[in-house]
Amino acid sequence: GAVVSQHPSWVICKSGTSVKIECRSLDFQATTMFWYRQFPKQSLMLMATSNEGSKATYEQGVEKDKFLINHASLTLSTLTVTSAHPEDSSFYICSASGAVNTEAFFGQGTRLTVV
Amino acid sequence: AQSVTQPDIHITVSEGASLELRCNYSYGATPYLFWYVQSPGQGLQLLLKYFSGDTLVQGIKGFEAEFKRSQSSFNLRKPSVHWSDAAEYFCAVTRNTGTASKLTFGTGTRLQVTL
Repeated sequence: GAVVSQHPSWVICKSGTSVKIECRSLDFQATTMFWYRQFPKQSLMLMATSNEGSKATYEQGVEKDKFLINHASLTLSTLTVTSAHPEDSSFYICSASGAVNTEAFFGQGTRLTVV
Repeated sequence: AQSVTQPDIHITVSEGASLELRCNYSYGATPYLFWYVQSPGQGLQLLLKYFSGDTLVQGIKGFEAEFKRSQSSFNLRKPSVHWSDAAEYFCAVTRNTGTASKLTFGTGTRLQVTL
């Protein structure tokens, strides 16, 4: 299967700072990328869908000004958690889908801890 | 709206025993169905998927799943469980949008394997 790389794998930041998480499709062009959030022992909740070159579409209840998503190229999407607070601590996972298939491939996830 | 139900939050089986993880979906059209496995702190790995055709789908690691439209189910099975199968399993559904795979996940089933 196609490879999606997420970086960093884990990050600790201070409350009030911003953190950027990268999601890269290594061997295919991803026209669409998805960002999920997973709380401990819970399922994945879709946060937003990003299409290359256009604004992200956020799910209901997700603050777009807090979770900034950029999908500037066909191989890279970034999620920036702005002014992070301890309640933003979570596991964030991206997935990417190409133009010729409907299967999405997942990154390995990023564990964010805000202290 | 589409939804996925995994009735079993936690299942424990002995190594070598058979396994069945239940998944029921609610969807107005023919769904695309997936089973993913997640090890602690890791991303998701695709076990198998159903798009169309044969309703019995073979996946990796000896897993299979059967799509039963009449029961709106897509249960995951394995004839003989190995200790390394201990993980969290997620069933997911999406509709074919042609290019994007916006997945709706079930709440997951945690599998524990006893030796």
